[in-house]
Amino acid sequence: EPEVTQTPSHQVTQMGQEVILRCVPISNHLYFYWYRQILGQKVEFLVSFYNNEISEKSEIFDDQFSVERPDGSNFTLKIRSTKLEDSAMYFCASSSTLIGTGVDTIYFGEGSWLTVV
Amino acid sequence: EDKVVQSPLSLVVHEGDTVTLNCSYEVTNFRSLLWYKQEKKAPTFLFMLTSSGIEKKSGRLSSILDKKELFSILNITATQTGDSAVYLCADGGAQKLVFGQGTRLTINP
Repeated sequence: EPEVTQTPSHQVTQMGQEVILRCVPISNHLYFYWYRQILGQKVEFLVSFYNNEISEKSEIFDDQFSVERPDGSNFTLKIRSTKLEDSAMYFCASSSTLIGTGVDTIYFGEGSWLTVV
Repeated sequence: EDKVVQSPLSLVVHEGDTVTLNCSYEVTNFRSLLWYKQEKKAPTFLFMLTSSGIEKKSGRLSSILDKKELFSILNITATQTGDSAVYLCADGGAQKLVFGQGTRLTINP
């Protein structure tokens, strides 16, 4: 079964450092997403990406965050200058259609656990 | 702002019991409601309910959507220890999912 893959599975970084989290979405999917889950809290939407541009972003997704699809397969999330409160599990996800059309759902990767020290 | 509330937050039962998990939602433009199971890391998809599909069943799991009362339930019959997980309900808007806080289900042998 096709799956979303993410790397690294776990990264420890010092506050103020830049971090890039990588994702390979399911190959025929057109919509890509990043979500995060701080330990013990809800899964929260960060950003959605379609046709090589951001289609929606949350308040969390400020200027420190950026996303990119550098080639035909990878989708990356960059945090420019990490803060302690960025420590969380970051999930990449993809879907073949817009959610809510009743056609398909979002498929999540296994996550990248980011620890900022 | 769209809101999804799940109850109970935590539930402990014995193997073989039947459980019902609840999800209520307040959304401005309902499109779909989704249920996911989160064991260790990634949420894995269980069901999607829409206006045209308000009842879904897969094995021991089933879910219904009440669009009038704005809630959904997830039923698990004859529970097994492998059903232990956090169950997430999410509103499926056009561009994103809005998740509830989840119900942590523990099945004791």
